[in-house]
Amino acid sequence: GDSVTQMEGPVTLSEEAFLTINCTYTATGYPSLFWYVQYPGEGLQLLLKATKADDKGSNKGFEATYRKETTSFHLEKGSVQVSDSAVYFCARRAGNTPLVFGKGTRLSVIA
Amino acid sequence: ETGVTQTPRHLVMGMTNKKSLKCEQHLGHNAMYWYKQSAKKPLELMFVYNFKEQTENNSVPSRFSPECPNSSHLFLHLHTLQPEDSALYLCASSQDLDRGGSPLHFGNGTRLTVT
Repeated sequence: GDSVTQMEGPVTLSEEAFLTINCTYTATGYPSLFWYVQYPGEGLQLLLKATKADDKGSNKGFEATYRKETTSFHLEKGSVQVSDSAVYFCARRAGNTPLVFGKGTRLSVIA
Repeated sequence: ETGVTQTPRHLVMGMTNKKSLKCEQHLGHNAMYWYKQSAKKPLELMFVYNFKEQTENNSVPSRFSPECPNSSHLFLHLHTLQPEDSALYLCASSQDLDRGGSPLHFGNGTRLTVT
């Protein structure tokens, strides 16, 4: 079935470090791809999305590129801040099927 | 302000109680969802409504009963719950089900504790 696999956490980084959170997806149905972020005590918020191959989604310094050849949508940020500490979810959706989430990756950024 | 409001934020209930969770969206969306988020488990889709009609029930026990009186409101009625039902219950909405690129907008959730 449709699935999303993302790297296990937690990930702990120092402030200003480079971040990569890996995500791969099943390619059936030409999915759209999303990254959501969940800050403590809150629901999920859309961080960025890409709807077709080679699209790059970006927001708040985060980027992810839809790679059809590797079925990947890795999340990157060049310089993380303490305020980026949260849980990050990769997700896919094709047609009228519900959104499928990865298990989430917890990021902790220390000053 | 997320556009999706859930009440209450926290709920503690005994196993014999009956309670309801409420979700309201002011985004003009046509699809609404209930998700369950438990510690160390992936997000679990519970129910999906599209234009007030239930389109998905992900093998959810009957002690959870959804209700969608209109496209802006969604309820989750709870009765005879078990301690393992303790979790964060998230409501979400999207423009509709038919566009794969349509993102979900989430509320902040109801933290449910069953004692």
